[in-house]
Amino acid sequence: AQSVAQPEDQVNVAEGNPLTVKCTYSVSGNPYLFWYVQYPNRGLQFLLKYITGDNLVKGSYGFEAEFNKSQTSFHLKKPSALVSDSALYFCAVRDSLRASMDTGRRALTFGSGTRLQVQP
Amino acid sequence: SQTIHQWPATLVQPVGSPLSLECTVEGTSNPNLYWYRQAAGRGLQLLFYSIGIDQISSEVPQNLSASRPQDRQFILSSKKLLLSDSGFYLCAWSVTSGGINEQFFGPGTRLTVL
Repeated sequence: AQSVAQPEDQVNVAEGNPLTVKCTYSVSGNPYLFWYVQYPNRGLQFLLKYITGDNLVKGSYGFEAEFNKSQTSFHLKKPSALVSDSALYFCAVRDSLRASMDTGRRALTFGSGTRLQVQP
Repeated sequence: SQTIHQWPATLVQPVGSPLSLECTVEGTSNPNLYWYRQAAGRGLQLLFYSIGIDQISSEVPQNLSASRPQDRQFILSSKKLLLSDSGFYLCAWSVTSGGINEQFFGPGTRLTVL
C-alpha cells in the first residue's frame, strides 16, 4: 500500500522568510514523489517531482524539495516566501513497486493538503 | 502541448436532478483519465479512473457514475443528485512513462446541490 501524510493543516510564515511544508510517505518499493499547488477555485498545478537521482529537486516558482529516504520525507521548501505563494499544497506519492505490478489503477495517492499563508 | 478542459466551471443543481460533467484532453493519445472530488477545499478523493475507452473503475461506491465514450473524453454523471454530492470536481490525465504516471489537472467544476 502507498500512503502520504501532511502533518500540518496550515503553515504561517512572514514574507521574505524561508518556508517548509512537511510531507512523509509510506511505500513498499521506491517512491515517486510529487508536489502540487492549488489556488482558490482552481485545479492543481504541478510544482516538482522526485523520481531518482539528486535528493534536492528544484521546481517551479522557486520551490524545491528534499528527498530523505531514511526519514521517508519529501518536505517542500522555499528560501524566501512571497505573499503570492499563499495557497493549498498537496504532496503525492506512487509506489514504484506498485507501478510495475499494477497497470490498472495508475493513480497517485495525495496527502490531505497544507494551507500556506504568507503574511506581508 | 497538452491541455485539459472541464465544463461547466460552476453548477448549481437541485437535489434529485441529474448531473453531467465533461472533461476533454487535447494533445495526447490514450491517456489515463481520473475524476476526483475535493470537499471543503481540502483533500482529494479519487472517484473513478479509466485506462481506455469504456474501461472505467470505481474507487468509492456512491451516487455517481463515469463514462468514457471517446479516447480523450471523460464524463461524470448522476441520475439523482444528493446534497452530499456538492464539492469541487477535478479531472486529471496522465500517460504512464516507466511507471511514473505524473498527473495533470483540469481547472475543476464547482458543484453546489441545494
